[in-house]
Amino acid sequence: AQKITQTQPGMFVQEKEAVTLDCTYDTSDPSYGLFWYKQPSSGEMIFLIYQGSYDQQNATEGRYSLNFQKARKSANLVISASQLGDSAMYFCAMREMGSGGYQKVTFGIGTKLQVIP
Amino acid sequence: EAQVTQNPRYLITVTGKKLTVTCSQNMNHEYMSWYRQDPGLGLRQIYYSMNVEVTDKGDVPEGYKVSRKEKRNFPLILESPSPNQTSLYFCASSLSGGVGNQPQHFGDGTRLSIL
Repeated sequence: AQKITQTQPGMFVQEKEAVTLDCTYDTSDPSYGLFWYKQPSSGEMIFLIYQGSYDQQNATEGRYSLNFQKARKSANLVISASQLGDSAMYFCAMREMGSGGYQKVTFGIGTKLQVIP
Repeated sequence: EAQVTQNPRYLITVTGKKLTVTCSQNMNHEYMSWYRQDPGLGLRQIYYSMNVEVTDKGDVPEGYKVSRKEKRNFPLILESPSPNQTSLYFCASSLSGGVGNQPQHFGDGTRLSIL
């Protein structure tokens, strides 16, 4: 089974509208962290937001918020008031702390977001 | 400036010719990792290191070697490169390997072509 699933290969959103990028994950570890990264066409990886498995509240960072539904194992990224500069590839990632001490990080395949003027 | 530096940025080489991609970070981070990015596959972890002399396999370690002799450096070695290792490679580091809010800082990437 895929550890991180992003089911939307591509999304379009009108400028100033909100958009939700989906991410579901699969782990049996009780302790894990979920991250979202943005990769513009220039190629660099930019950290956006983090959610810990024990966090009670959904994470927010400016226009980014994470809709964390632990029972459903989903961690969707919500971008409010989209801007043209938000056009990029978005990756969901999970860091697991395994009982054997391993610290693997798994990325999804990404969602390409295009913001339309 | 806090950064992760990879070299080279671009490399075209031939099958079987050993190569090393260097990675250095100046943030005193304990955790370092290598990823490859391929279209439609996202980023896949090759190897990671939780500290000096502590390394472990990621999801796609075959054909790669790493070493962590110093905290700041984490080179990726391809002993006998093959065309299926043509990819975009990223090195990343984070403060530690815990699951707290410790995002990874990424290098600019190395585009590797093996003919």
